[in-house]
Amino acid sequence: DAKTTQPNSMESNEEEPVHLPCNHSTISGTDYIHWYRQLPSQGPEYVIHGLTSNVNNRMASLAIAEDRKSSTLILHRATLRDAAVYYCILRDRFYNQGGKLIFGQGTELSVKP
Amino acid sequence: DSGVTQTPKHLITATGQRVTLRCSPRSGDLSVYWYQQSLDQGLQFLIQYYNGEERAKGNILERFSAQQFPDLHSELNLSSLELGDSALYFCASSVVALNTGELFFGEGSRLTVL
Repeated sequence: DAKTTQPNSMESNEEEPVHLPCNHSTISGTDYIHWYRQLPSQGPEYVIHGLTSNVNNRMASLAIAEDRKSSTLILHRATLRDAAVYYCILRDRFYNQGGKLIFGQGTELSVKP
Repeated sequence: DSGVTQTPKHLITATGQRVTLRCSPRSGDLSVYWYQQSLDQGLQFLIQYYNGEERAKGNILERFSAQQFPDLHSELNLSSLELGDSALYFCASSVVALNTGELFFGEGSRLTVL
């Protein structure tokens, strides 16, 4: 599985946008970029995923660089509930290993009121 | 609520003992995944089952075993427990064993080995 690099921690103020970066310089053409987050004392939850184009959903936006070697998860207005560890994960679209996720260390996001 | 149910939520036991953790996947999900989360190791993939068959294996110790039953629930068996096995154990499920589908995680079973 290709590797991702994320900052260990980031801080944000409530109701401000947050940009969480992820570097994946060894990404292959068939890798999807997935983001999950883990709130305190809970299991991870899906946030968003994409392949080449930018993606939006009700939780966040995913901006993917043109060369796909980096991506940014955007939370448009951070709330206290968004304080969590955010994981950027690459999953090979065709790799026949059943779809497991390999988690890295992630970015711990803290949100200040 | 992800729809994935894990029991028990908390378990305290002694070294050398054996425990069984149970996972009920979301209705209709055929694939079940087990993860271990400890403070020093982060989230580690252990094993995956798809429709009763083992599909992928990660860093699962020989003292640990798992299975998925015909009704699709899964059990993770941990034996000869050691202090270092204390961790949160998460189960996740997905509809199919594809690499684009979303995984839904349960709330975890916290195991404490004394």
